[in-house]
Amino acid sequence: AQTVTQSQPEMSVQEAETVTLSCTYDTSESNYYLFWYKQPPSRQMILVIRQEAYKQQNATENRFSVNFQKAAKSFSLKISDSQLGDTAMYFCAFMKRPGAGSYQLTFGKGTKLSVIP
Amino acid sequence: EAGVVQSPRYKIIEKKQPVAFWCNPISGHNTLYWYLQNLGQGPELLIRYENEEAVDDSQLPKDRFSAERLKGVDSTLKIQPAELGDSAVYLCASSLGVVGRRESHNEQFFGPGTRLTVL
Repeated sequence: AQTVTQSQPEMSVQEAETVTLSCTYDTSESNYYLFWYKQPPSRQMILVIRQEAYKQQNATENRFSVNFQKAAKSFSLKISDSQLGDTAMYFCAFMKRPGAGSYQLTFGKGTKLSVIP
Repeated sequence: EAGVVQSPRYKIIEKKQPVAFWCNPISGHNTLYWYLQNLGQGPELLIRYENEEAVDDSQLPKDRFSAERLKGVDSTLKIQPAELGDSAVYLCASSLGVVGRRESHNEQFFGPGTRLTVL
């Protein structure tokens, strides 16, 4: 079974600054996907960024980037130029490679990020 | 394009009463998921449908929970009878899920959820 650990229950960052959210995971799989989802107070979960384990290049999406360390089983999210709209719960999630019969997302407990004006 | 629609958004019931949640996935999405999200936790999968077939319901408490996806489009999740511990947010998600296209399974789109309070 896979586990996802987010060790920072809450974080805060000043507007326009950079913040990094941590995530570690445990799996015996060699190929898989990792995700960061954002859940604003309205509760609709939104995909922020996705990383395929067999790709060495770190994924980036505008102000969001990841630092994927496969050997260390670490997958951190960096948010640059933080904006007030980034205030939300952030969940790290794991999925076995497609075709493994599951497509189940395993989520961490989340990190509550507050962006301070 | 409309997103995943769920209703009701909020539901308050007394224990031992039945309750039902409804979900309409994004048009054309073959795969539908129901997740349970307890306060302060990440979502946990309850059941996954491929079209009208429940292909993963191993984590659904079948003594009181049931689900259906007639015609492979919208879905209903039911609890009967509800218990105090069922108070949570119930999330529905969908993905394109095209057979033979593995990539189409790995992005799930979530609805706003139904917050259930059992008194």
